[in-house]
Amino acid sequence: ELKVEQNPLFLSMQEGKNYTIYCNYSTTSDRLYWYRQDPGKSLESLFVLLSNGAVKQEGRLMASLDTKARLSTLHITAAVHDLSATYFCAVANTGNQFYFGTGTSLTVIP
Amino acid sequence: DAGITQSPRHKVTETGTPVTLRCHQTENHRYMYWYRQDPGHGLRLIHYSYGVKDTDKGEVSDGYSVSRSKTEDFLLTLESATSSQTSVYFCAISGYTLRDLYFGPGTRLTVT
Repeated sequence: ELKVEQNPLFLSMQEGKNYTIYCNYSTTSDRLYWYRQDPGKSLESLFVLLSNGAVKQEGRLMASLDTKARLSTLHITAAVHDLSATYFCAVANTGNQFYFGTGTSLTVIP
Repeated sequence: DAGITQSPRHKVTETGTPVTLRCHQTENHRYMYWYRQDPGHGLRLIHYSYGVKDTDKGEVSDGYSVSRSKTEDFLLTLESATSSQTSVYFCAISGYTLRDLYFGPGTRLTVT
C-alpha cells in the first residue's frame, strides 16, 4: 500500500514570509497532485505534476516533483491571509488509486 | 467545475440502520471513487470503480459496499451503520487519462 507523508501538519506563518510544505511517498509514482481545502468545503485542485522535474506555479504557490527522491514540495512565496487553508498532496499508483497525505493546515497571520 | 453531485448532503442516522449515499456525474468519466475524511487521517479510499459493474476495494472498505450500474452513478452503502462511520464522505471522478481527480461537494454523515 502506498504511504504518503506530509510535513509539517500545522504551519503558522506571518504574512510576507516564505515557506515550503513537503510531501514524501513510499513507492514509485510519476503522478502527484496538490489540493486545497477550505473549512467545510470540498477539495480544489491546485497542481497536477506528471513527470520527474515537473514544476508548476500559480500566483504565490509553486509545486515541484522529484520522482527519484519520491518527494514533492509546495512552496509559498510572500504569504497572504487568503492562502490560509489545508493543503493535501496525493499520489496515484499504477492501479489508478489515489492516496492522500494527512494534510497541512496553514494559517497566515497578519 | 466538474459536474459531480452527491446526495444527501447531510444525514443523521441511527446505529444499525442501512444508509446509501449517491454520487452522480455528468462528465462521462470512467473512474469513480469514494473517500472518507476524518481529522488526523486525511482522505482514505473506501472503494473505487473503473467502469460499469467494475469495482474494487480501497484501504478502508470494511462495512461498506458499492455499486455502479450506470456510468454516471456510483452508490456507497453502509450495510449497518456504526458510530465509527461518522465522517464526511467525498466522491471523486477521473477521466481516461487520469490527469486529475475532481471532487464532489461531500456528504456529512452522523451515526448516533
